[in-house]
Amino acid sequence: DSGVTQTPKHLITATGQRVTLRCSPRSGDLSVYWYQQSLDQGLQFLIQYYNGEERAKGNILERFSAQQFPDLHSELNLSSLELGDSALYFCASSVEADTQYFGPGTRLTVL
Amino acid sequence: AQKVTQAQTEISVVEKEDVTLDCVYETRDTTYYLFWYKQPPSGELVFLIRRNSFDEQNEISGRYSWNFQKSTSSFNFTITASQVVDSAVYFCALSEAYRSGGNEKLTFGTGTRLTIIP
Repeated sequence: DSGVTQTPKHLITATGQRVTLRCSPRSGDLSVYWYQQSLDQGLQFLIQYYNGEERAKGNILERFSAQQFPDLHSELNLSSLELGDSALYFCASSVEADTQYFGPGTRLTVL
Repeated sequence: AQKVTQAQTEISVVEKEDVTLDCVYETRDTTYYLFWYKQPPSGELVFLIRRNSFDEQNEISGRYSWNFQKSTSSFNFTITASQVVDSAVYFCALSEAYRSGGNEKLTFGTGTRLTIIP
């Protein structure tokens, strides 16, 4: 158990819908990262937050957004969903510039 | 740009054999970190090791060992006396060392699926 929690574990929704994925980092970790794992793209970095502020952006679509709240939990919002958004979404957390520990992931299926 | 190459897509070995997973990386940074993560069939990503670019010492942890060679930009992972529980997908990853406001994202290889045959 990495100490990072993610909810829900599974999400099934339809095209055009909007979903929110939630992540609670390990106690004491200020950085939260979001990654997407899909069959065709592999594991890709989406976005990083540090202590409530966006720190870095990767290959994140404009339809996707994230935020980190004062209690350090983070949410990833995915809107106007397409079939190609089906993937495993991971959250990771770290103490600054240290190892990233990953949550169990949320498996999103868009039908 | 950073890049991690895991040329071995799938490997199968019989239990108790030794197996080496290859990882080659590219980066323009002089300071960086290398990682290995394990993804068992249950799907989570499990951290195995972190190595910084200053430290080329090989590391051994039980049946696992890692060989970091800066001269060939490689960070290979060996499992000795493999067991069925080692069956998983293994990812090598690279990140820039932290600098103020820097991007600590992990760049992953495509993974090697290891199957241990009982």
